[in-house]
Amino acid sequence: GQQLNQSPQSMFIQEGEDVSMNCTSSSIFNTWLWYKQDPGEGPVLLIALYKAGELTSNGRLTAQFGITRKDSFLNISASIPSDVGIYFCAGVTGTASKLTFGTGTRLQVTL
Amino acid sequence: DSGVTQTPKHLITATGQRVTLRCSPRSGDLSVYWYQQSLDQGLQFLIQYYNGEERAKGNILERFSAQQFPDLHSELNLSSLELGDSALYFCASSLWGGPNYGYTFGSGTRLTVV
Repeated sequence: GQQLNQSPQSMFIQEGEDVSMNCTSSSIFNTWLWYKQDPGEGPVLLIALYKAGELTSNGRLTAQFGITRKDSFLNISASIPSDVGIYFCAGVTGTASKLTFGTGTRLQVTL
Repeated sequence: DSGVTQTPKHLITATGQRVTLRCSPRSGDLSVYWYQQSLDQGLQFLIQYYNGEERAKGNILERFSAQQFPDLHSELNLSSLELGDSALYFCASSLWGGPNYGYTFGSGTRLTVV
């Protein structure tokens, strides 16, 4: 089946630092989504990307849909303690009716 | 509050037993998706229903089944439970049959099989 690999697996950063994470696949996706999951909660949609090369921002978050349509990147600027959580990428192919989720990047922010 | 309601929040049961997890989608959403998340694992798609009918199936075991009722709420039935079935089970909903605009997730049901 389709696999989405996220890197890094986990990150420990200091408050105020910028963060970059990415998601790669062997398959082409038509839509890329980024979710954040807080402990004990369901994932919450952060950003959606619909076109190759598209760059979209949501506050301190910026995500890009890779030109090859096989990857996506998420950047968080000036991290704060509430950014702690697990970040998942998810992709949709043309005919699929479900999201395929990545393996997740666990972010820890220290003061 | 995401608008997707899952009950119960926690469930502890013994091996061999059967449980039912319930999900009420966000108002107006027609599709319901079930996902399983094991400890430190990603989200594994189980099954999707759209307006009462099964639309897509993922890695759902034969011991598991689901249905969506006329009022659009959904139930996931897990039977002959094994220790390895312990996980977080999430329900998500979307307006249409496709996920292109993302799903809205509930807070999950944490199932512990002892």
